[in-house]
Amino acid sequence: DAKTTQPPSMDCAEGRAANLPCNHSTISGNEYVYWYRQIHSQGPQYIIHGLKNNETNEMASLIITEDRKSSTLILPHATLRDTAVYYCIVSPLSGNTPLVFGKGTRLSVIA
Amino acid sequence: NAGVMQNPRHLVRRRGQEARLRCSPMKGHSHVYWYRQLPEEGLKFMVYLQKENIIDESGMPKERFSAEFPKEGPSILRIQQVVRGDSAAYFCASSPQGFDGYTFGSGTRLTVV
Repeated sequence: DAKTTQPPSMDCAEGRAANLPCNHSTISGNEYVYWYRQIHSQGPQYIIHGLKNNETNEMASLIITEDRKSSTLILPHATLRDTAVYYCIVSPLSGNTPLVFGKGTRLSVIA
Repeated sequence: NAGVMQNPRHLVRRRGQEARLRCSPMKGHSHVYWYRQLPEEGLKFMVYLQKENIIDESGMPKERFSAEFPKEGPSILRIQQVVRGDSAAYFCASSPQGFDGYTFGSGTRLTVV
């Protein structure tokens, strides 16, 4: 079973920042936080991952709380093409461990 | 560098037939994962393979389903005697050794009629 809790749906105005929360209160010290998204019926797309420091790449920023029990994915300037289901996943550091997907958050970006 | 290639994109089978789904991982990736997504549901892990080895098949139904990743060639997910409940999107992902980020293919949509 997934070890994360996400809101089922969110709306965001186009051009504004989208902040997607995730709770992972039972995360272990060796587990990373991963974010993926699935646009319509396409294959999931990797977005970003982190252990305890905040991370940023060309797609998004990941903010992890100091106690690591929750995190927020930030899309700084959401576009209509960012409409998708976003999955927050925790996974051990052991490498090549199958990722367990939960229900995710359905983000709708509105013009 | 081509991504993860899955074929066919769409597959229609009659009840009782066999379905073979193929997955070619990204170049340099030696780990393959298969997931199934039923309509309006999330992705469910099925099986994790490395070359010539099944590492974790805890999500695979005990009957009719099998998977392989031979030394040469793509990974194959095989479903024997398909039933209507097997209708779903089947996604394959690959990763290089030592890194947890997956690259997913575009999936195979299986329809059993």
